[in-house]
Amino acid sequence: GAGVSQSPSNKVTEKGKDVELRCDPISGHTALYWYRQRLGQGLEFLIYFQGNSAPDKSGLPSDRFSAERTGESVSTLTIQRTQQEDSAVYLCASSPTHVQGPSYEQYFGPGTRLTVT
Amino acid sequence: GNSVTQMEGPVTLSEEAFLTINCTYTATGYPSLFWYVQYPGEGLQLLLKATKADDKGSNKGFEATYRKETTSFHLEKGSVQVSDSAVYFCALSGGAGGTSYGKLTFGQGTILTVHP
Repeated sequence: GAGVSQSPSNKVTEKGKDVELRCDPISGHTALYWYRQRLGQGLEFLIYFQGNSAPDKSGLPSDRFSAERTGESVSTLTIQRTQQEDSAVYLCASSPTHVQGPSYEQYFGPGTRLTVT
Repeated sequence: GNSVTQMEGPVTLSEEAFLTINCTYTATGYPSLFWYVQYPGEGLQLLLKATKADDKGSNKGFEATYRKETTSFHLEKGSVQVSDSAVYFCALSGGAGGTSYGKLTFGQGTILTVHP
């Protein structure tokens, strides 16, 4: 079956412009996560969706970052007034649910490489 | 908060050598522990996991044992292959003393290169 897809795969933008990154999770997965991977670093959590709600936005770096999810499916991550430090690979992951005990596997998309010039 | 520390890389080995990548963590409670792998040009994928103390996760010849007493989850493989060349990430979820929603906390990644 189809995995997690993300678009665009690459995005080059000028400093100060807004960008939208899209994530299509695996069908039926209620949990959706956004992470950021800066060059040479591990992944940083950004935001979590359960259904269309975002109970955890604690990883969003600033108010320039926002995300939404509709139809318990597609999610978009928007970065306004981009800065050079926003350059990174943005990864989306989905899973059937979240649990406090044994954790379900998160399935990752291929990522969007964002370069801010 | 939760944190994961991985052995710094890059690691370069010859084929059939023994591999260890160290991973230690800080978390309250009982987190679940994971190793994810990113092969060249591919997305991140789960390699193995362990959800409670003393559990051993294994897959593709790789193993890691959840050691609560040393807060470690070291990745091992007895005989590496060229095809194992990839970036390996240790991660945890839960164990934050509250609702963590399954979000993953990652180590910085270790680049493994295996030569023929």
